[in-house]
Amino acid sequence: QQQVKQSPQSLIVQKGGISIINCAYENTAFDYFPWYQQFPGKGPALLIAIRPDVSEKKEGRFTISFNKSAKQFSLHIMDSQPGDSATYFCAASLRSNDYKLSFGAGTTVTVRA
Amino acid sequence: DGGITQSPKYLFRKEGQNVTLSCEQNLNHDAMYWYRQDPGQGLRLIYYSQIVNDFQKGDIAEGYSVSREKKESFPLTVTSAQKNPTAFYLCASKNRDARDYTFGSGTRLTVV
Repeated sequence: QQQVKQSPQSLIVQKGGISIINCAYENTAFDYFPWYQQFPGKGPALLIAIRPDVSEKKEGRFTISFNKSAKQFSLHIMDSQPGDSATYFCAASLRSNDYKLSFGAGTTVTVRA
Repeated sequence: DGGITQSPKYLFRKEGQNVTLSCEQNLNHDAMYWYRQDPGQGLRLIYYSQIVNDFQKGDIAEGYSVSREKKESFPLTVTSAQKNPTAFYLCASKNRDARDYTFGSGTRLTVV
């Protein structure tokens, strides 16, 4: 039973467009929400993360929006570039569970030039 | 450069064989993890270890075994009891109270 639900499964965006990936969680005890980026044949790498006391965090072209009451968070990729083509995973963890990550199913983003 | 090394990159197994996947880290991280990745299912935790000589089952431990005899090494054995072992296997590590994981580049295991 997946604790973090991620959508869409895949998306295609034109260069310069905005990519939006959504995640929803059930466990209100989660206290850390990272996003990982994975290129084909490679392991995931941390992209950006947020804690629930913040509603938004921005790093360059990547922004996390967090809605605690709705138990949802999303990743926005602004001015999408072909180099952003990858699979993105949202995740959640909590201190009382040894900080283990629960991952969403992943979203494959394709940016067309 | 510090990092996690997984080997081999590709591995082929005949049905009924046990195979061992290697994971070595030089980050001096306390905790190490094994995940299995299948298309459309995200990453699922197989086993994890927070200290040497101790490890815990994750969500899908059946058919797998691990050992943690050294801080830097956390090998995963895929046994013949694992009915559907074809997958991409990822090793990760972190400091014990840290939140962020460092992943290796993975091993793709195929049953032939």
